[in-house]
Amino acid sequence: KAGVTQTPRYLIKTRGQQVTLSCSPISGHRSVSWYQQTPGQGLQFLFEYFSETQRNKGNFPGRFSGRQFSNSRSEMNVSTLELGDSALYLCASSLDRGAFEQYFGPGTRLTVT
Amino acid sequence: GQNIDQPTEMTATEGAIVQINCTYQTSGFNGLFWYQQHAGEAPTFLSYNVLDGLEEKGRFSSFLSRSKGYSYLLLKELQMKDSASYLCAVRFDRGSTLGRLYFGRGTQLTVWP
Repeated sequence: KAGVTQTPRYLIKTRGQQVTLSCSPISGHRSVSWYQQTPGQGLQFLFEYFSETQRNKGNFPGRFSGRQFSNSRSEMNVSTLELGDSALYLCASSLDRGAFEQYFGPGTRLTVT
Repeated sequence: GQNIDQPTEMTATEGAIVQINCTYQTSGFNGLFWYQQHAGEAPTFLSYNVLDGLEEKGRFSSFLSRSKGYSYLLLKELQMKDSASYLCAVRFDRGSTLGRLYFGRGTQLTVWP
């Protein structure tokens, strides 16, 4: 069974631009969560999607948004990029909401210059 | 945040035993996870505790005391490949936060020959 895939793996953007990251969960998994990882803050929860609906949102500004499609694939978008948005963005999938095991993808390394 | 605390760094030698502690606030607790993350890679699931006691899985064991808000990850017979960051994550099921994990900042373990 294929694992969680994220595209692209690496991205360089300029301040003020916007970016879209993609996550394909493990086949059959319906819950997708997004996290931002930085050296200073560690892993911070962004949002969780289940059945194409956002179920949970972390403490991030409205510039961060996401969506989930009917096949459970998810995208997150960051508009008006800031230097502080440089981070590793990780997607995690689980079978269902509250399922005890979350499987992480390899992440997208975003650098904002 | 949810005050999930773990040491920033630890070092040990090959063949030794190391214990990585994690404390968290107890209100609403509903499960504690340990993940291993090698540099540049995604976190991988190690263990899950929801009841008090010790869970053993090969060289790794995880302990939980819910009343004390305390867990530890025990690594035995350390190998060089165990050098990684170890992340403690807690789930607090308060209705809307179902499925969300709160992470500590990680403990960077270095194993010396």
